[in-house]
Formats: sequence, structure tokens, C-alpha cells
Amino acid sequence: AIQLTQSPSSLSASVGDRVTITCRASQGISSALAWYQQKPGKAPKLLIYDASSLESGVPSRFSGSGSGTDFTLTISSLQPEDFATYYCQQFNSYPHTFGPGTKVDIK
Amino acid sequence: QVQLQESGPGLVKPSETLSLTCAVSGYSISSGYYWGWIRQPPGKGLEWIGSIYHSGSTYYNPSLKSRVTISVDTSKNQFSLKLSSVTAADTAVYYCARHESRGGDDYFDYWGQGTLVTVSS
Repeated sequence: AIQLTQSPSSLSASVGDRVTITCRASQGISSALAWYQQKPGKAPKLLIYDASSLESGVPSRFSGSGSGTDFTLTISSLQPEDFATYYCQQFNSYPHTFGPGTKVDIK
Repeated sequence: QVQLQESGPGLVKPSETLSLTCAVSGYSISSGYYWGWIRQPPGKGLEWIGSIYHSGSTYYNPSLKSRVTISVDTSKNQFSLKLSSVTAADTAVYYCARHESRGGDDYFDYWGQGTLVTVSS
């Protein structure tokens, strides 16, 4: 199975900061990667698919990049509603594994 | 608007079978898409359990494959999860979700609210 690692596992940031989260795959997955945002007690919400495609309705401050084994999720200017945990998920092969998550909290 | 709603017992005894159903509204399952189950133990990360195509083809996580069955009932517009021989390690919030898989694009775009299943005697 393809393993996904995320770094950092957690970070503290301020409103307005630029935030970058990295997801690394144990083998190449082309661009078959999605990013989700999850708030406490809620289901995950799709942000990005195909590594860099923005889901409809998601603010443009979110962006994704990468292919192969290294991917990034960037929030260009952190907003109060962005404090949450972020997960990557690969769809290159079964099982469709998730990364361990990155928790973004208030500095 | 597509909506998914999980239902089933919130408490299951060890060694018994966990059974959950996901009712879909706003979209006919028989029209297409994959439909999946994902779980999240309390305070931990997400784990993909498996997905089923509207025609019935299934794909399971190898770590659970021997205990998992996912089925679809197009007449009721719902799909189901059965997980046998449960232990405390299966305690989790279980989510159902729609799995888009088209033209190389794959993702879970619509999710249920999740249902907590506790395994305890």
C-alpha cells in the first residue's frame, strides 16, 4: 500500500499568514491526490482534487501543487475559519490511503 | 443537492457484526459514481474502508478485507457496510461518501455527517 506522510503534523499561525502543508507519497502517484479540511465534529470537506484543481465553492486562497511523490497545500492568507485539520488522500491505487493529518491552530 | 445520511446501531458488542446503511438523496445511485465508507477512530486520522460502484463492483482496504462487505440497494437508493468480528479497535466515527472517479479525477465530494459506533460489551 502507498503510504502518505504529512509535515508538519501541527502548526500555529496567525490570521493573514501564508501556510504551506506538505504531503509525500511512498511511491509515485502522478497527480492522483486530494486535500480535505476537517473541523471538530464535522465530516471532511473537499478542497483540492487532482493535486491542483480547486473544488467548486472553495475560496481561491487555497491552492495545491505537485506531482509524483511531493505535494503541497497552500493557504495564501489564513482566515479565522481555516483553523482545522487538513488531510491528503491518494487515489493512484487501492487502498486509497489518507495522510495522518496536519492540525492548524491559532498562534 | 446530494445528501448522504448514515444510520445504524451506535453500540455493538465485541465479536458481533457492525451494520450501517447510507441513504442517498438528491441523486440516484443507479446513475453512476462509486460510493464509499471511511472511518475515524476518536482523536485519530481517517481510514478508507472501501468503495462500491453502482453496478456492484467492490474495492476493499486489504487491512479489513476479510471482515468487510459493502453492498448497494438501488431500489432504496442506499448502500451498506457490514464489518464482522468487531473489537474495540473498530470503535470510530463511520462516514459514507460519494466517490467521484472520472477522467482521472478521483475524490470524495459529498459526505454524510458521520455516525459514532462504539464496540463494547
